[in-house]
Amino acid sequence: GQQLNQSPQSMFIQEGEDVSMNCTSSSIFNTWLWYKQDPGEGPVLLIALYKAGELTSNGRLTAQFGITRKDSFLNISASIPSDVGIYFCAGQPPQGGSEKLVFGKGTKLTVNP
Amino acid sequence: DTGVSQNPRHKITKRGQNVTFRCDPISEHNRLYWYRQTLGQGPEFLTYFQNEAQLEKSRLLSDRFSAERPKGSFSTLEIQRTEQGDSAMYLCASSYNSYNEQFFGPGTRLTVL
Repeated sequence: GQQLNQSPQSMFIQEGEDVSMNCTSSSIFNTWLWYKQDPGEGPVLLIALYKAGELTSNGRLTAQFGITRKDSFLNISASIPSDVGIYFCAGQPPQGGSEKLVFGKGTKLTVNP
Repeated sequence: DTGVSQNPRHKITKRGQNVTFRCDPISEHNRLYWYRQTLGQGPEFLTYFQNEAQLEKSRLLSDRFSAERPKGSFSTLEIQRTEQGDSAMYLCASSYNSYNEQFFGPGTRLTVL
């Protein structure tokens, strides 16, 4: 089945630094989404991408849908302490009629004030 | 608050007991999804409803698991004869359309002793 490989597994940065994380797969996906999860809570949707090559921003966040449809990246600019959490990429496989999302294992972000 | 709600937030049970969780989706969202998340992993798809019809089930959904959405609004997930391996966070999500912007609830954390 489809698998998403997220890297890095964890990051430790200083407040104010920019962050980049990515997600790759050997299979193509129709849609890519990025979520953030705080401990004990459900994932919160950050950005959704629908077309290969699409670049989308949401405040300090920028994400791109790779042209091959097999990868995506998320950038966070000027990090702040509340950016701490686990970031997940998720993709919708192109199997006809399936609406499930396949998730990566997450990137844990720590921001030092 | 018009987000996805889940009850209970926490459930501790003894092995062999049955448990039932409830999910209330965002109003007017006709699609409802159940996922399971274990420590250090991303959410894994279990099943999905469009209105009251259960359209897709994962192989993870053994015969001890059953989900319903009788009136196309709230949904329940029942686990019979719980096992220690069922301990996980059970997440519910809903969406308005097939573009797959799935919005998650806070989850129900199940601990099987």
